[in-house]
Amino acid sequence: EVQLVESGGGLVQPGRSMKLSCAASGFTFSSFPMAWVRQAPTKGLEWVATISTSGGSTYYRDSVKGRFTISRDNAKSTLYLQMNSLRSEDTATYYCTREGGRNYFDYWGQGVMVTVSS
Amino acid sequence: DIQMTQSPSSLSVSLGDNVTFTCEASENIYGFLAWYQQKLGKAPKLLIYGATNLEDGVPTRFSGSGSWTNYSLTISSLEPEDIATYYCQNNHVYPYTFGAGTKLELK
Repeated sequence: EVQLVESGGGLVQPGRSMKLSCAASGFTFSSFPMAWVRQAPTKGLEWVATISTSGGSTYYRDSVKGRFTISRDNAKSTLYLQMNSLRSEDTATYYCTREGGRNYFDYWGQGVMVTVSS
Repeated sequence: DIQMTQSPSSLSVSLGDNVTFTCEASENIYGFLAWYQQKLGKAPKLLIYGATNLEDGVPTRFSGSGSWTNYSLTISSLEPEDIATYYCQNNHVYPYTFGAGTKLELK
C-alpha cells in the first residue's frame, strides 16, 4: 500500500525558515517524480514544486522560486521542502504527492499545516 | 501560465442525479487533464487522468471527456459519498494549474 506521511509543519514567524519532510513507502520511491501541492485555508489547490526521479531536475512556481528548495533522498525514500523567507501568503496545508505516468498526482499524503504569523 | 476555469463554482444536487461540470483551459493542453475529488478535511483523490482514463478503484459512474481546451466530468446517478469539491488540473506544462473547484451540495 502506497503511503506518504508528511511532517515538520507548525507555526513560524514571517521571514523565518521551515523544512517539511515526506516519508514514502509501498512503492519504489526512486522511480517516480514527486511534488508538493499546497492549499491555503478555504482556498483551492496550488502546485508548488516538482522534482525528477534522480533529483537532477526541479521545477517551481514563480512565487516560491528562490525561497523554496525541493529535494529528495532516494536511499531514505524521503522528500523534502526547505522553505526560507516565509511569508503570510505561504500559510497553507502542504501535501506531498507522487506524480504518475502523465504528470498527474496519483497519491497524496494527509497534509501538514504551515502557519506563517507573528 | 495556463488558466483553468471551472463552472459552475457550486451545484445543488439530489441523490440519483446525473451531474456534469466543466473545465476550460486558456490554451490547448492536449488532453493532459486530471480530475480530483476532495472531501472536507481530506486530501484530494485522483479520479480521472489523461482527460478520459478512470483511475483504478474509482467507481464507473465517474467519467471524463474532452479535448483541446474543453473538458468535463460526469457523475452518473449521484451517491451520498460523491458530495465533495471537484478540481481539474492542467498537467501539460509548468506551472501545473488547478481550477478553482466545483462544490457539490445536497438540495
